[in-house]
Amino acid sequence: QQQVKQSPQSLIVQKGGISIINCAYENTAFDYFPWYQQFPGKGPALLIAIRPDVSEKKEGRFTISFNKSAKQFSLHIMDSQPGDSATYFCAARVAGNTPLVFGKGTRLSVIA
Amino acid sequence: NAGVTQTPKFQVLKTGQSMTLQCAQDMNHEYMSWYRQDPGMGLRLIHYSVGAGITDQGEVPNGYNVSRSTTEDFPLRLLSAAPSQTSVYFCASSRASNQPQHFGDGTRLSIL
Repeated sequence: QQQVKQSPQSLIVQKGGISIINCAYENTAFDYFPWYQQFPGKGPALLIAIRPDVSEKKEGRFTISFNKSAKQFSLHIMDSQPGDSATYFCAARVAGNTPLVFGKGTRLSVIA
Repeated sequence: NAGVTQTPKFQVLKTGQSMTLQCAQDMNHEYMSWYRQDPGMGLRLIHYSVGAGITDQGEVPNGYNVSRSTTEDFPLRLLSAAPSQTSVYFCASSRASNQPQHFGDGTRLSIL
């Protein structure tokens, strides 16, 4: 059972454009929603995270938008750069020291 | 700090062989986990541990064993390797599941 549904599977964006990756969930007990970035041959690394009492969080060119009523959250990458080309995973976890559940990932390619 | 160290980086096994994937962290993190990453499947949790002496199963535990005798180490054992276990394995550690997870660079395992 996939608890976090991520889309699209792959995304091609022009340099300078906006990359948008979406995730949807059903479990209203989730209380933490991180995004991870993974480059080829490396392990994932935390990019940005949000909690459900906040509707938006911005760190540099990266923004998470969170819609609690729709049970959706998304990652926006502004002014996308070729160096942003990577696989991005959304994740979520239930309150308590429970494991993260990951989406299936989005492979982003930013072309010049 | 070395962070999370996984060994070996690459391994080829024959069906039926057993082996142990090593994971060590030097950040005094209580929470550790093992994931496997397969194309189009994202990161799937195998086993996790919230502290020394405590382990629990994740989404895909069959065919794998873990133990956590120290805070630093969290080895993953394949009891009798099967071709379906061909994958990239990642170990991660964090202070808690809602804190940034630090991933190793993975072990690429092929089973013939």
